[in-house]
Amino acid sequence: DGGITQSPKYLFRKEGQNVTLSCEQNLNHDAMYWYRQDPGQGLRLIYYSQIVNDFQKGDIAEGYSVSREKKESFPLTVTSAQKNPTAFYLCASTTDRANTEAFFGQGTRLTVV
Amino acid sequence: AQTVTQSQPEMSVQEAETVTLSCTYDTSESNYYLFWYKQPPSRQMILVIRQEAYKQQNATENRFSVNFQKAAKSFSLKISDSQLGDTAMYFCAFMKQSFYNTDKLIFGTGTRLQVFP
Repeated sequence: DGGITQSPKYLFRKEGQNVTLSCEQNLNHDAMYWYRQDPGQGLRLIYYSQIVNDFQKGDIAEGYSVSREKKESFPLTVTSAQKNPTAFYLCASTTDRANTEAFFGQGTRLTVV
Repeated sequence: AQTVTQSQPEMSVQEAETVTLSCTYDTSESNYYLFWYKQPPSRQMILVIRQEAYKQQNATENRFSVNFQKAAKSFSLKISDSQLGDTAMYFCAFMKQSFYNTDKLIFGTGTRLQVFP
C-alpha cells in the first residue's frame, strides 16, 4: 500500500543534541512538507520541497534543517539551535496532478529530556 | 502572504444535530485549493473535503458540505447528522494553485469539535 512513513513515533533528545526525524513516501509525490504542531497553534510549516534537491523555508525554519536527495525521502534535523523543540511533528506530501490533496504520516512526538 | 483563520477554538454539538465550523482566509491569488482536514485523537490527519476556487458549486461529501464564498474569502464546513466519531480537531487549509500544484500548504489553528451523545 502507498503511503507516508514517519519514524520513530516517539523520540527523546537531550539538550544540545541534534536529532533527525525520518519521512519516507512511496506515493511518487513531488512535494513534501514538514509541520510542527503545538497545542492551540495548529500546524506551522517548517520546510517544504517541491522537487528533488530543492527546498524552501516555511514560517518557523530557524533551528531546523532538511535535505531532499531522493524523491521518496525528506528527513528533518532538529538542531541544538532550536530552543523549544518539544512538539509533535508531521510530514506530508502532495501530488502535482489535478485534484491534489495532502497525505500525512502518523507523526513523531519529540521530547527534550 | 496567505493566512488562514479559524476563530472558533472549540465547538460542541449533540449527536444527530448539525454544526458549522468557520474559516476565513486572506490571499491575492485567484486560483487555489481549500481543504478541511480532520485530526481524531489518533492524530492521523484525514482529508474531509476539498474545494477548487474556480468551481462555484460547493463541495459535498456525504454528511459534510462547505459554504464557499470567494468574494468574502470564507470557507465554512457544515457537518450534518453529527456522529460520535466526528469528535476531532478540524483544520482549514489553503494552497495556491500553481503549475505543479505543489505550492505551500497553509493551515489554520484548528477547531476542536466535541460530539455529545
